[in-house]
Amino acid sequence: NAGVTQTPKFQVLKTGQSMTLQCAQDMNHNSMYWYRQDPGMGLRLIYYSASEGTTDKGEVPNGYNVSRLNKREFSLRLESAAPSQTSVYFCASSGEQGVEAFFGQGTRLTVV
Amino acid sequence: GNSVTQMEGPVTLSKEAFLTINCTYTATGYPSLFWYVQYPGEGLQLLLKATKADDKGSNKGFEATYRKETTSFHLEKGSVQVSDSAVYFCALSVNTNAGKSTFGDGTTLTVKP
Repeated sequence: NAGVTQTPKFQVLKTGQSMTLQCAQDMNHNSMYWYRQDPGMGLRLIYYSASEGTTDKGEVPNGYNVSRLNKREFSLRLESAAPSQTSVYFCASSGEQGVEAFFGQGTRLTVV
Repeated sequence: GNSVTQMEGPVTLSKEAFLTINCTYTATGYPSLFWYVQYPGEGLQLLLKATKADDKGSNKGFEATYRKETTSFHLEKGSVQVSDSAVYFCALSVNTNAGKSTFGDGTTLTVKP
């Protein structure tokens, strides 16, 4: 029972490099989300996808792009990483009734 | 807009002490309320929830009551254990997509033996 799986768990990038964070869920959920978590700032929504084929901006979308590849997978891409993007990134999903959200274990990203 | 305010941490308690973590909210519409817990090195997991006024959510000895009149959803536990040490997040959602929630900043709880 995997739930929400994120890869990689840790990553160090140099400023200007690009990378894609992967997320997959096996619960047949329609909705998927990307959050970032910074000390003292809680969780902030970057992008979300209410269904396959749709994506919408959240609170802090600048510097990121997303792809809802299929119902299971939702990736987050940093085209040109900046030190301000150093954070812990969480993917989450929720079902049709949408009351409970399930989170992955997070990706700790450091941009130097 | 929507917002969640949690009591500032960190909170340090001795084993078997009583715990209260305050949470108040502002929301447009009629929100569902949640408490999530994050153990070290892990993602968030739902601890309890309440979807309408006066509902009480409970799980693992933790409780929280949805108080519409005071716009609050305080988390309580009568006797904390060392294993309860974690970060606790209060959150709300005003639509059916629970992941698209507004979170508080989190409160770090440390329970000493």
